[in-house]
Amino acid sequence: AQSVTQPDIHITVSEGASLELRCNYSYGATPYLFWYVQSPGQGLQLLLKYFSGDTLVQGIKGFEAEFKRSQSSFNLRKPSVHWSDAAEYFCAVGANTGFQKLVFGTGTRLLVSP
Amino acid sequence: DTAVSQTPKYLVTQMGNDKSIKCEQNLGHDTMYWYKQDSKKFLKIMFSYNNKELIINETVPNRFSPKSPDKAHLNLHINSLELGDSAVYFCASSQEAGPRGTQYFGPGTRLLVL
Repeated sequence: AQSVTQPDIHITVSEGASLELRCNYSYGATPYLFWYVQSPGQGLQLLLKYFSGDTLVQGIKGFEAEFKRSQSSFNLRKPSVHWSDAAEYFCAVGANTGFQKLVFGTGTRLLVSP
Repeated sequence: DTAVSQTPKYLVTQMGNDKSIKCEQNLGHDTMYWYKQDSKKFLKIMFSYNNKELIINETVPNRFSPKSPDKAHLNLHINSLELGDSAVYFCASSQEAGPRGTQYFGPGTRLLVL
C-alpha cells in the first residue's frame, strides 16, 4: 500500500521569498502524485498532479513540483510567496492501478510573514 | 455554478442522534467519495461509489452508511453519533474511478457531536 510523509508540520516564509514544501512517498511502482491546498474553513483545491512524463509539473497560482524517483519525493515549490498563499498544503499519492484511493500526508501549514 | 456542494456546512448534534450529510456534483463525473478529516487535519478515505455502485469501503463503523441515489449524489448517513465522529467530512468526485481520476473536493461539512 502507498503512503506519504510530509516532514514539516509548519513552515514560515517571508512574503516574496521562495518556498519549498517537502513530500516523500512510498509505493512499489510509479505513483500518481498530487498537491492540494486547503485555505482556512475551505475545501481542498488541486494545485497540480503528476502521472507520467516530464518530472517537473506546473500548477495553478505559480506553483510547481518536481518528481524525483531516486529520492521518492515530490516537493512543491514557488519562487515568490504571496500573503494569500498562507494555507494548509497536502501531498497525496495514488496507486497506478485499480480504483483511485488517495492517501494523504498530514499536511504542512504555511505561514507568510510580512 | 458550484462543482461539488455539500449540505449542511455545519452540523452540531447530540450523542446518539442520527444525521445525514448530502453531496451533489454537477461535473458529470461517474465517481464520488467521502473523506473524513480529523482534528489533526489527517484526511482518510471512507467510501467511494462509481456509477452508483460501492467500490471502496474502508474500515468504517457500520453506523456510517453511504447512499447514492444517482451518479450526481452521494449522501452519508450516520447512526448513533459518537463524540469521536466529530470531524470535517469532505465529499469529492472524479470523472473516472481509475488512477487518472483527478478528484475535486467539496467545501466540507463540519460535524460537532456534543
